[in-house]
Amino acid sequence: SQKIEQNSEALNIQEGKTATLTCNYTNYSPAYLQWYRQDPGRGPVFLLLIRENEKEKRKERLKVTFDTTLKQSLFHITASQPADSATYLCALDISGYALNFGKGTSLLVTP
Amino acid sequence: DAGVIQSPRHEVTEMGQEVTLRCKPISGHDYLFWYRQTMMRGLELLIYFNNNVPIDDSGMPEDRFSAKMPNASFSTLKIQPSEPRDSAVYFCASSLYRDNYGYTFGSGTRLTVV
Repeated sequence: SQKIEQNSEALNIQEGKTATLTCNYTNYSPAYLQWYRQDPGRGPVFLLLIRENEKEKRKERLKVTFDTTLKQSLFHITASQPADSATYLCALDISGYALNFGKGTSLLVTP
Repeated sequence: DAGVIQSPRHEVTEMGQEVTLRCKPISGHDYLFWYRQTMMRGLELLIYFNNNVPIDDSGMPEDRFSAKMPNASFSTLKIQPSEPRDSAVYFCASSLYRDNYGYTFGSGTRLTVV
């Protein structure tokens, strides 16, 4: 069956460090992968999309890599800030235009 | 644009009652999605529409669930009769396929069935 796995354990890091979150998947052949941020009590917010033929994409302090051989995406936040504390979700396209989401990884950035 | 608007924000109902959740997508978006989120199962896709037409409802858990999109600016998700296991946060999201900028989610409806 199709699975999207994100580290269920919260990631705690110190302000200024780089946070790296992992998304692994099985039994998918996605055309693209997306990352979202979710704050408590709010809906997910779209951050980045990376296509299968792209190895890396950047947006300000965010960097996403996509390795279709390893079936893995890495999401990096450089120079992390307490305001980056949230849950981060990865999502893969399934048939049609719909997305399946991982359960997310909680990030806590402490001053 | 005010974004994706969902109502109500919170709903508490008794088991067996009918519940209707509402969604107004972003104007001009051609896709609309309904998701359900729980701690145990995460975000689950229930159904999605393209240009007001249901494309895939395989995620709808049971016949108790139904969804409609009578026009481009309104969709409903109905549960009849509701059960305690339906308690979750229900999200509506919309997207414009051409732009592929990802989904825009609403703030969700927290449903509690007692």
